[in-house]
Amino acid sequence: GAGVSQSPRYKVAKRGQDVALRCDPISGHVSLFWYQQALGQGPEFLTYFQNEAQLDKSGLPSDRFFAERPEGSVSTLKIQRTQQEDSAVYLCASRTLRGFDNEQFFGPGTRLTVL
Amino acid sequence: GQQVMQIPQYQHVQEGEDFTTYCNSSTTLSNIQWYKQRPGGHPVFLIQLVKSGEVKKQKRLTFQFGEAKKNSSLHITATQTTDVGTYFCAGSRYGQNFVFGPGTRLSVLP
Repeated sequence: GAGVSQSPRYKVAKRGQDVALRCDPISGHVSLFWYQQALGQGPEFLTYFQNEAQLDKSGLPSDRFFAERPEGSVSTLKIQRTQQEDSAVYLCASRTLRGFDNEQFFGPGTRLTVL
Repeated sequence: GQQVMQIPQYQHVQEGEDFTTYCNSSTTLSNIQWYKQRPGGHPVFLIQLVKSGEVKKQKRLTFQFGEAKKNSSLHITATQTTDVGTYFCAGSRYGQNFVFGPGTRLSVLP
């Protein structure tokens, strides 16, 4: 593919519902990041994978948030029992692993609205 | 934890005027990146700075990394309407994960 893709692009959930957000990184990109971006704010780091290993999940706001990348390619961010404060754009980014060549390629994001 | 701040929050300029945004980190960084996000879009990588005191130029954009590697700036000469968007800096302490600043939103009046 030409870039990082995310699905769905928009998701409306009722409070208490579970949601799953998908990220397809650029083929061959080892590293994958999830960010949460609230309106008018910068992206906030959630979690980071290198291949299938989740190396850092310090940014996940609560144990309702769970991310996986079982085969080191596609990743899913799952939010259980959604709350209104979870409403945000969820961005996925991928990058290669070549020394300090750290350019992150972002997907278009999934806009989650929790009613 | 690590914090990254940016000023100003908003900047309105007349087309042709210059623009500068400043980024400050609470901790010393190994590298810093700059991204541009157009309204309704996603962040797009502009540049990475690694060395203390480094200056890089991309056409009308000039990026600087401070000597202490705790601050950075982005300067745009003679702004154009295509420069509209939010500019984010993102700093990393160890070269892996990046903390983004809140961004500076640039408006350019024709």
